[in-house]
Amino acid sequence: SQQGEEDPQALSIQEGENATMNCSYKTSINNLQWYRQNSGRGLVHLILIRSNEREKHSGRLRVTLDTSKKSSSLLITASRAADTASYFCATGNGANSKLTFGKGITLSVRP
Amino acid sequence: DSGVTQTPKHLITATGQRVTLRCSPRSGDLSVYWYQQSLDQGLQFLIQYYNGEERAKGNILERFSAQQFPDLHSELNLSSLELGDSALYFCASSHRLPATSGSGTDTQYFGPGTRLTVL
Repeated sequence: SQQGEEDPQALSIQEGENATMNCSYKTSINNLQWYRQNSGRGLVHLILIRSNEREKHSGRLRVTLDTSKKSSSLLITASRAADTASYFCATGNGANSKLTFGKGITLSVRP
Repeated sequence: DSGVTQTPKHLITATGQRVTLRCSPRSGDLSVYWYQQSLDQGLQFLIQYYNGEERAKGNILERFSAQQFPDLHSELNLSSLELGDSALYFCASSHRLPATSGSGTDTQYFGPGTRLTVL
C-alpha cells in the first residue's frame, strides 16, 4: 500500500523555471527521501530529510518537511532538460527499515 | 552508479516457469531490500534481509522467496510465474549500522533493476 501521495501527478515546465513537487503521507515517519527515476531505469537517491528537520538543501534541490501536516515538498530550481524524470517520495521508519513509496510525479522540462 | 548490481537486466520467460534474480549490495552494506515496480501497483516493498537473516516482509507472494548468502549477495526466486508478475524488480542496499546505534544511514541505494516479462 502506498504511504506517500505525490502531487501533481505530472508537471511540465520550461527550462530555467522552478519545479515544485509535493508529497503527503499518512503515518508517523523517521525520515522521508526523494528519488529520481529516468524512464525504466533504477532509482537515484536525491535527498533524505529526517523527522526532526524542517528544510534541507542539496545543490539545486530544496526539500521541506512539515510533520504536523504530514507533507513534504521538493523544489528543483533552475530546471534543466536533464531533470526530466519521475520523482518519488518514500518514507522510512528508521535505520534499516523498508521504504514506502508514493506513486510518483512525472516531470517534463522543455528545452 | 550506486554500487548495487543486479543480474540479469532483462528476463523473458513463460507462465509457470521459475526464475532467479540476483543482487550484489554495495560493499559493506548488510541490508538488502527487494522491491517490485509495476504499472498498476507502483513500487512495492517485498522483503528485507539483514546480514543473512530475514528482517521484514512486505507484499511478497508465497510463490516468491529470497535469501541472503554469507557473502551478502541476495537472490529473489519467483516460481509458478503468472502474467501479472511482469514488472521491474529492484534490489536496494543500505549502509552497515552498529547494532546499538540509535541513528544511522537510512539511505537506500538502488540497483538498475531486472525487467521481468512473463509471456
